[in-house]
Amino acid sequence: AQSVTQLGSHVSVSEGALVLLRCNYSSSVPPYLFWYVQYPNQGLQLLLKYTTGATLVKGINGFEAEFKKSETSFHLTKPSAHMSDAAEYFCAASWTSGSRLTFGEGTQLTVNP
Amino acid sequence: EAQVTQNPRYLITVTGKKLTVTCSQNMNHEYMSWYRQDPGLGLRQIYYSMNVEVTDKGDVPEGYKVSRKEKRNFPLILESPSPNQTSLYFCASSLGGGNQPQHFGDGTRLSIL
Repeated sequence: AQSVTQLGSHVSVSEGALVLLRCNYSSSVPPYLFWYVQYPNQGLQLLLKYTTGATLVKGINGFEAEFKKSETSFHLTKPSAHMSDAAEYFCAASWTSGSRLTFGEGTQLTVNP
Repeated sequence: EAQVTQNPRYLITVTGKKLTVTCSQNMNHEYMSWYRQDPGLGLRQIYYSMNVEVTDKGDVPEGYKVSRKEKRNFPLILESPSPNQTSLYFCASSLGGGNQPQHFGDGTRLSIL
């Protein structure tokens, strides 16, 4: 079955340090890929998405992600973490033109002062 | 303001007592979905709808019903709730499928005793 895996349920970084959140999908057919962020007591907000074309995708709040087909990965990065980045991050994939969306398990990001 | 509205936000109830969680969107979106979020499992799709009167099962449909009689509304029905349905539920809508991002409500936390 097609799936999405996020390595590391918890990631902790210092303020100003690089943020790297990992996401891999399990299919030889590249899906549409998304990163969402969830702040406490809120719904999910779209950070960025990959459809086709440029493999480096820029999103909101300084985040970006690189699609690597050979590695079936779509890792999320931010050069310098801010305290306000503390949240849970979800990678998601869609392999169809319909409304089926498969989420990873989520990664809780903690930013230390 | 474009939004997806869920009600109630919180509900504590007992096993077997039928309940409905409402979801409404004001963006004229064709597609709507329901998810449940459980720790360590990410979000899992329960049901989705690609148009009025068109619904289909997601990954975890057992114990749930949905209906789509109007474009803007997509209620989730638990006819005989059980404790294993205690979870955080999200409704989402999108303009289309595939590469279209989903817009999420703020969530409904259900506790079934």
